[in-house]
Amino acid sequence: KAGVTQTPRYLIKTRGQQVTLSCSPISGHRSVSWYQQTPGQGLQFLFEYFSETQRNKGNFPGRFSGRQFSNSRSEMNVSTLELGDSALYLCASSLEAGGATDTQYFGPGTRLTVL
Amino acid sequence: AQSVSQHNHHVILSEAASLELGCNYSYGGTVNLFWYVQYPGQHLQLLLKYFSGDPLVKGIKGFEAEFIKSKFSFNLRKPSVQWSDTAEYFCALDSWGKLQFGSGTQVVVTP
Repeated sequence: KAGVTQTPRYLIKTRGQQVTLSCSPISGHRSVSWYQQTPGQGLQFLFEYFSETQRNKGNFPGRFSGRQFSNSRSEMNVSTLELGDSALYLCASSLEAGGATDTQYFGPGTRLTVL
Repeated sequence: AQSVSQHNHHVILSEAASLELGCNYSYGGTVNLFWYVQYPGQHLQLLLKYFSGDPLVKGIKGFEAEFIKSKFSFNLRKPSVQWSDTAEYFCALDSWGKLQFGSGTQVVVTP
């Protein structure tokens, strides 16, 4: 079974631009979560989607948004990019949302550099 | 609020040495705990998980972890490490689909 895939793998943008990242979950998985990984802040939860609905949200500004499609694929969008948004953005999928026995499986990430 | 603490940020050890990485959590509800590993240039991979039952959990590649509720701990162990265990290790707590990660421990195994 194919793992979680994320596109693109690398992105370079300039301040003020916006960016869209894509994530395809493992086949059959219905929940998709997004995380930001930086050297200073570590791994931080952005949001989780299940059945096209945002179920959980982390402590990030409204510039960070996402959505999920009917095939469970997900996108996240960051508008008005800031230098501090440079990070590795990780997508994880699991069978269900918030289930007590869920395990999240991670993709390779998208490395975003903001200049 | 829930939190996860990993006390060792960097660990250097020789091949065949034993490894133990500390993880403490703060959470008032039922805990689901994980250890993930990130090898150089690779994505986060699940090493093992604890949901309930036997507090001694065995994972892949010879790793195990012990859940001690009274100490709010979930320490990771491996009796004999190999050079290929060089990686960053993350402890995580699941809170209804939201993973709270520790700051990670960078482990370097020297030949």
